[in-house]
Amino acid sequence: KQEVTQIPAALSVPEGENLVLNCSFTDSAIYNLQWFRQDPGKGLTSLLLIQSSQREQTSGRLNASLDKSSGRSTLYIAASQPGDSATYLCAVRNGQGGKLIFGQGTELSVKP
Amino acid sequence: EAQVTQNPRYLITVTGKKLTVTCSQNMNHEYMSWYRQDPGLGLRQIYYSMNVEVTDKGDVPEGYKVSRKEKRNFPLILESPSPNQTSLYFCASSLFEGPVQFYTFGSGTRLTVV
Repeated sequence: KQEVTQIPAALSVPEGENLVLNCSFTDSAIYNLQWFRQDPGKGLTSLLLIQSSQREQTSGRLNASLDKSSGRSTLYIAASQPGDSATYLCAVRNGQGGKLIFGQGTELSVKP
Repeated sequence: EAQVTQNPRYLITVTGKKLTVTCSQNMNHEYMSWYRQDPGLGLRQIYYSMNVEVTDKGDVPEGYKVSRKEKRNFPLILESPSPNQTSLYFCASSLFEGPVQFYTFGSGTRLTVV
């Protein structure tokens, strides 16, 4: 059974720092991995999607990497800003049924 | 604008009173799904649908029903709500085939059952 773990559960950094959020999964037979952002009480906004055949994806200050063999993904945020404060969720999509399996999330706080 | 629309955003109801949460997408996606989000448990799939008239149970389907009569709509029905169904609910859709299957989520429905 696929399990997704995110470490740390919470992170507080000063503005301007570069930071890395970690995601690990137990079954490497994934179809893709997606990173989401969730603001308090709001829906999920898709940030980056990495296909199982890819190693990384970039969008602006965000870079996500995928190492399927070791069951790990990282989300790198460069030059963090207070507006980046949110909960970041990673989710893997197994091939069958299309279900997304989510980690518990990392709550990020960027202090001015 | 491509989006998934859920209604209502907030709902307080009493135990046993049937309710429906609507979900509609305008992206012609085949795949639609419902999730619930609870503190400490994360997001869990309730039901999903791969296309019109094709639905199947997710991880936590007890107490819920769904239907998929049209491609764009995927309502979630609680026939007899109970307090343990108090949660934040999300509808999501995506393409099912092809190289890129971004999930698009609705804004959520916060349900309280008293």
